[in-house]
Amino acid sequence: AQSVAQPEDQVNVAEGNPLTVKCTYSVSGNPYLFWYVQYPNRGLQFLLKYITGDNLVKGSYGFEAEFNKSQTSFHLKKPSALVSDSALYFCAVGDSGAGSYQLTFGKGTKLSVIP
Amino acid sequence: DSGVTQTPKHLITATGQRVTLRCSPRSGDLSVYWYQQSLDQGLQFLIQYYNGEERAKGNILERFSAQQFPDLHSELNLSSLELGDSALYFCASSSQGGGASDTQYFGPGTRLTVL
Repeated sequence: AQSVAQPEDQVNVAEGNPLTVKCTYSVSGNPYLFWYVQYPNRGLQFLLKYITGDNLVKGSYGFEAEFNKSQTSFHLKKPSALVSDSALYFCAVGDSGAGSYQLTFGKGTKLSVIP
Repeated sequence: DSGVTQTPKHLITATGQRVTLRCSPRSGDLSVYWYQQSLDQGLQFLIQYYNGEERAKGNILERFSAQQFPDLHSELNLSSLELGDSALYFCASSSQGGGASDTQYFGPGTRLTVL
């Protein structure tokens, strides 16, 4: 069965500093990996995804993520955090080998960017 | 704005009642997904429809049912409501084959409160 873990419930970072939100996954086949962001009282917004190819994926709002197969990780990064990046971030995984169409979402990491 | 619309935005009802949540996918999207988001369970996949047919089923209770109509809009029916059904219900849609590598675009959600 596919699973995803976000080991940190909350990440605090100072404005202007680099940020990292961690995600690890487990699948039987090849992973399809996604990052979404949720602002208060809003739906989830797609940031980026990894399907195949280059391990470094660039997405919306200056975010990027690096796929690391050996560490089964897909950490979200941004070189310089903005206060407006404060939100709830979800990692999600799909599995090419499971015959499953669904994504499994992590429990979310709350990012707080401190001015 | 993702292009996915959900109505109503808020719904307050009593235990034992039945409600219907409605979702209109992005123009041209054939797949519709339903999710439940609660504080203790996180984001849980309920069910997926592709072009009118049920494609995948997740943690959906027997008291819940869904369907996708010929115009591709979808409805999620929740019956015999319990206090624990209070949650945010999201609909998402995707444009490709409905597989796990598809990017899902989320609606703003319906907040259900069961009193």
